[in-house]
Amino acid sequence: AQTVTQSQPEMSVQEAETVTLSCTYDTSESDYYLFWYKQPPSRQMILVIRQEAYKQQNATENRFSVNFQKAAKSFSLKISDSQLGDAAMYFCAWNSGAGSYQLTFGKGTKLSVIP
Amino acid sequence: DADVTQTPRNRITKTGKRIMLECSQTKGHDRMYWYRQDPGLGLRLIYYSFDVKDINKGEISDGYSVSRQAQAKFSLSLESAIPNQTALYFCATSDRQGDIQETQYFGPGTRLLVL
Repeated sequence: AQTVTQSQPEMSVQEAETVTLSCTYDTSESDYYLFWYKQPPSRQMILVIRQEAYKQQNATENRFSVNFQKAAKSFSLKISDSQLGDAAMYFCAWNSGAGSYQLTFGKGTKLSVIP
Repeated sequence: DADVTQTPRNRITKTGKRIMLECSQTKGHDRMYWYRQDPGLGLRLIYYSFDVKDINKGEISDGYSVSRQAQAKFSLSLESAIPNQTALYFCATSDRQGDIQETQYFGPGTRLLVL
């Protein structure tokens, strides 16, 4: 079975600094998709960034970028110039390719931003 | 207006009561999903539907049923609510085809308390 592990239950970062959230996954498939979702106190699950496993280039979305290491099965999220609004739970998730229904989530990392 | 809406946003009910959670979407997506979120466990899939006539059980379907009334509407029912169904429930949608078919977009969630 596929598993997604987030080893950092909680993290904190100073405002304007950079923080990296870790995620590892276990799969025997070669074609899959990885995601980071943000859940602020409002409870909404917001897609932050998406990575296709067949792409070697790391995805970026404004201040958010990933470090995708396929061989190591690692998918970390880097948040640059952290803002107070970045404070939230962050979930890493995995989905098989070919239109699979199953999103497998990690247990989340709670990020606090210190003013 | 939000693309994926859920009603109600909060609900308190008693053990043994039947309740229905509703989800509507304006994204035009074919696929819809119901997830449950418990503290420390991430999100787990309850049911999913690839179109109006295609409904499938997910990881934790016992005690739940669903109805896909139309492409845009997907309801989750608890026939006889029990306290361990107290959780945050999310509806999600995804497109059937294209480069982003594996990306799921979430509603705002329904917080359910079963007394």
